[in-house]
Amino acid sequence: GEDVEQSLFLSVREGDSSVINCTYTDSSSTYLYWYKQEPGAGLQLLTYIFSNMDMKQDQRLTVLLNKKDKHLSLRIADTQTGDSAIYFCAGGDSGGYQKVTFGTGTKLQVIP
Amino acid sequence: ETGVTQSPTHLIKTRGQQVTLRCSSQSGHNTVSWYQQALGQGPQFIFQYYREEENGRGNFPPRFSGLQFPNYSSELNVNALELDDSALYLCASSRGEGGTDTQYFGPGTRLTVL
Repeated sequence: GEDVEQSLFLSVREGDSSVINCTYTDSSSTYLYWYKQEPGAGLQLLTYIFSNMDMKQDQRLTVLLNKKDKHLSLRIADTQTGDSAIYFCAGGDSGGYQKVTFGTGTKLQVIP
Repeated sequence: ETGVTQSPTHLIKTRGQQVTLRCSSQSGHNTVSWYQQALGQGPQFIFQYYREEENGRGNFPPRFSGLQFPNYSSELNVNALELDDSALYLCASSRGEGGTDTQYFGPGTRLTVL
């Protein structure tokens, strides 16, 4: 099965860029997602990328996919205190049913 | 367009009891997936329902079961509760056959087993 690994913690200053990294084992994942979870809340879909893409930009968010190294990253430009949350990388396939496999999450702390 | 809703928000049960959690899918979505998120962990896939049938299952025992109704809402039932079942239970809905489209999550039900 798929394994998804992330670093546990990242601290950045307000206004700086944040880069959250993720590695995955299953190259058959069709979609790769980034979700945000604030304390006590459910998961908010931030963005996703198809496995045949290398990069996707969506306002302050940039997703980079390196299929050779099975590495996914999320860059948040001009990080704000409201970006403080846990960020989950996840991989999903479309074979029969879509099981989404999540990483353990990276806690982003934004220092004012 | 309404989002995914779940009830109840919080629930406390004792070991050995049974629990039912509910989920209403987002408008236009026909597939519901359930996830268990233990404290400090990422969500783990329990199962997925499409057209009222279980369409896929993760590594969870049979005492975790579910239903999907004609209006695409869903229930998660857990029998013989164990202490390790304490977690946030998340429901996600998606459209398209077998849920091949992006999943949108509800706020979750926090279950505590004492």
